[in-house]
Amino acid sequence: DGGITQSPKYLFRKEGQNVTLSCEQNLNHDAMYWYRQDPGQGLRLIYYSQIVNDFQKGDIAEGYSVSREKKESFPLTVTSAQKNPTAFYLCASSKFPTGEVNQPQHFGDGTRLSIL
Amino acid sequence: AQTVTQSQPEMSVQEAETVTLSCTYDTSESDYYLFWYKQPPSRQMILVIRQEAYKQQNATENRFSVNFQKAAKSFSLKISDSQLGDAAMYFCAYLIPLGGATNKLIFGTGTLLAVQP
Repeated sequence: DGGITQSPKYLFRKEGQNVTLSCEQNLNHDAMYWYRQDPGQGLRLIYYSQIVNDFQKGDIAEGYSVSREKKESFPLTVTSAQKNPTAFYLCASSKFPTGEVNQPQHFGDGTRLSIL
Repeated sequence: AQTVTQSQPEMSVQEAETVTLSCTYDTSESDYYLFWYKQPPSRQMILVIRQEAYKQQNATENRFSVNFQKAAKSFSLKISDSQLGDAAMYFCAYLIPLGGATNKLIFGTGTLLAVQP
């Protein structure tokens, strides 16, 4: 079955350390996204990418970086510059609009990042 | 700016009963898309139902239906014959096209639904 795979499920970061969250999709979707979810809040967009080697900042990109070297993969690096990284991170993907109809986003199972 | 408001932080329903979750949004656009996502304890975000603003007919997916009131900017979700597996956090979301294949979802803060046996 096609889907979005995020790994690891749980991740711990030490002070000053960069960590990378993996996101892989086999849905043949063009666009991929990273969201952050904090308790009591909805999701907020970190970065998004429409095609390989292209990505754009979302609403809360500071302290994060991404790459899109393959259509199927969109890893997120949480850098030491992100001072409050503890959150639940969700990766999503969507395909090109069908005609004029925008397509919904489909989500992975998420990664919970905590600070040691 | 587009905003999404869910005014009910928590709701409870008896098994087999019907419950309605509220959502309002603010936009100056005339053509847009609205979604309800479900997030169970496993934390995966699952698409429940979608509504295109240009469609007057309310969307329906099995036991899930919406009441879309465009003039009032209201988008409520009705769950009929509630089941224990419906217990989850429900998020209302508004889609903003970003160009090409990409779009952006603006989420509400969610409604936690409990289903009582």
